[in-house]
Order: sequence, then C-alpha cells, then structure tokens
Amino acid sequence: EIVLTQSPGTLSLSPGERATLSCRASQSVASSYLAWYQQKPGQALRLLIYGASSRATGIPDRFSGSGSGTDFTLTISRLEPEDFAVYYCQQFGSSPPGLLTFGGGTKVEIK
Amino acid sequence: QVQLVQSGAEVKKPGASVKVSCKASGYTFSKYYMHWVRQAPGQGLEWMGIINPSGDSTSYAQKFQGRVTMTRDTSTSTLYMELSSLRSEDTAVYYCASPWQPDHPDHDVWGQGTLVTVSS
Repeated sequence: EIVLTQSPGTLSLSPGERATLSCRASQSVASSYLAWYQQKPGQALRLLIYGASSRATGIPDRFSGSGSGTDFTLTISRLEPEDFAVYYCQQFGSSPPGLLTFGGGTKVEIK
Repeated sequence: QVQLVQSGAEVKKPGASVKVSCKASGYTFSKYYMHWVRQAPGQGLEWMGIINPSGDSTSYAQKFQGRVTMTRDTSTSTLYMELSSLRSEDTAVYYCASPWQPDHPDHDVWGQGTLVTVSS
C-alpha cells in the first residue's frame, strides 16, 4: 500500500505570500492518479488539482501542481484570505480496487 | 445543482450500528462509483470503501471488512453506509463522495459530512 507523506504539517504565512506544499509517496505514483484537495471547516472537500498538474474547473490560476514519481508539489502563488485551509494530496490505488489514499494534510494558517 | 446531501448527526452506544444516507441530485447517479471516507476529530481522511454504479459490487478497506456494508438505491439516487459493532474510535465525520477519476476529472462531488458520535 502506498503511503503519502505531506510536509510541512503546518505552514504559517501572510496573505500575499507564496505557499509551497509537498507530498511524497512511499513508491512511485502515476501522475494521472494524483490530486490535491482543499478542506475548510463545515464545507465539502474541494478538488483543486487532478492529474498532478491540471486545475479543476473554477480553480484560480494562483493554484498550481507539479511533480512526478514520488514527489509532488502544490503551490499557491499569492495567498488570498480564503486560501487559509487544510490541503490534502490524494491518489488512487488498486488494492483493493478503488482505494483512495490521502496524505496527512498540511494546514496553511495566517501568520 | 450537483450535490450530495447526507443524513443528520447520530449518537450511538458502543456495540450498536449506524446507517448513514447520502442523496444525490443534479447528475446521473447510476453512472458513477461512490465512496465513503471518514475523518476522526482533528485527524486526516480515511477511505472506507467503494460501491460500483449498479450497486452489485463493493470493495472495502481491510480495516472495516466485516463491519461495513455499502448499498445504493438507484430508484431514489441514495447511497447508504452501515457500520456495525461501533466503538469509541468510530467517532468521526463520515463523507460520501463521487470523486474525480482520470476518465471524468470534471465530476467530483462530496457530501457535507455526517457526524457519528459513539459514547456510552
């Protein structure tokens, strides 16, 4: 089973700053199966990035994803007040079929 | 509007069972796989299992094998998840989801979550 490790656990930044979030897999992951989600309290999860680097519908271009193999990155170029949230990387596995694996999350908080 | 609306919060005693529902609207329910994911207080996201579009095939995380049952009713576009032999560690928010897949990245829908509290 693939384990996704996110770092840092918490990122303290100010609005307007750049955020760089890391997701490392215990073994190689197909880029087409890697996504990033945003979670805010009381709200449904929001898909930001799929296929490692493609923005989901309606996602601002300040969000970008990159990486391949075992190392993936979510970058928020300039933090807006509404971007302070928890972010999860996620990948699809095959054992059992349909398995979703999530990283432990990175909380982006206001400094 | 594409959405998944889940049933309300539940409080259960250890050893009991809970059944959470999730009603889909705004899209063709019978076309997509559905998942359940849970999140314990202050913790990350944990996948529980998946059910296929027709409802005749399921796959569960090993941790929940024998305790979880996922079903769906295509006539009412409703998904169900029943978890039995509840223990305090099952206290969590339970989410239903029809998440993206490479062949349909534009379809990604999550419920608002149902808090299940297990306490004596």
